[in-house]
Amino acid sequence: DTGVSQDPRHKITKRGQNVTFRCDPISEHNRLYWYRQTLGQGPEFLTYFQNEAQLEKSRLLSDRFSAERPKGSFSTLEIQRTEQGDSAMYLCASRGPGAGGENEQFFGPGTRLTVL
Amino acid sequence: DAKTTQPNSMESNEEEPVHLPCNHSTISGTDYIHWYRQLPSQGPEYVIHGLTSNVNNRMASLAIAEDRKSSTLILHRATLRDAAVYYCILRDRFYNNAGNMLTFGGGTRLMVKP
Repeated sequence: DTGVSQDPRHKITKRGQNVTFRCDPISEHNRLYWYRQTLGQGPEFLTYFQNEAQLEKSRLLSDRFSAERPKGSFSTLEIQRTEQGDSAMYLCASRGPGAGGENEQFFGPGTRLTVL
Repeated sequence: DAKTTQPNSMESNEEEPVHLPCNHSTISGTDYIHWYRQLPSQGPEYVIHGLTSNVNNRMASLAIAEDRKSSTLILHRATLRDAAVYYCILRDRFYNNAGNMLTFGGGTRLMVKP
């Protein structure tokens, strides 16, 4: 399968713990996005990488959140000191180079986080 | 980004055509109209996009009004597997804000009855 993969698919943690999610984009895609989706809502943009550079961060991304994309390949999203409000589906997407207005984004299956 | 408006939900019978509307009255001349859908427990997937002319692909057709202030996603024969949330999204052709991230609204939840 050459699509976007995410690991783990599900994560249950206790409030205050740190969690880390991984995203492996489609190999030739240099652009990578993280989104968050709460129940009944559409996904919301969190952050964007072009190659290894993090070029944009949403105001939704508090100081407890950090994302990296070393070497411009896979990416990790870490949440420190988790809170119950962090419970959501975390989605990763990637796309190839070129003007973004036309190119589609390919999404992974998401990581569902539950904070108890 | 210009905003889109979609009905919260729609119902269809299996094997009948479905027309999913989207209003985007403030669309700019450089906005593409994209449709994504999200099946239960999955990430969104691309369906189709267009600029001015109607478009067809293996999944669906996109009909764009002449003034581009509205569009309609057409599923020619709905199947149970088409039950999903359908999102209509505008994306600027050139503006590279955040790599042209997608701005999702609430979408339309399509229910397909057997």
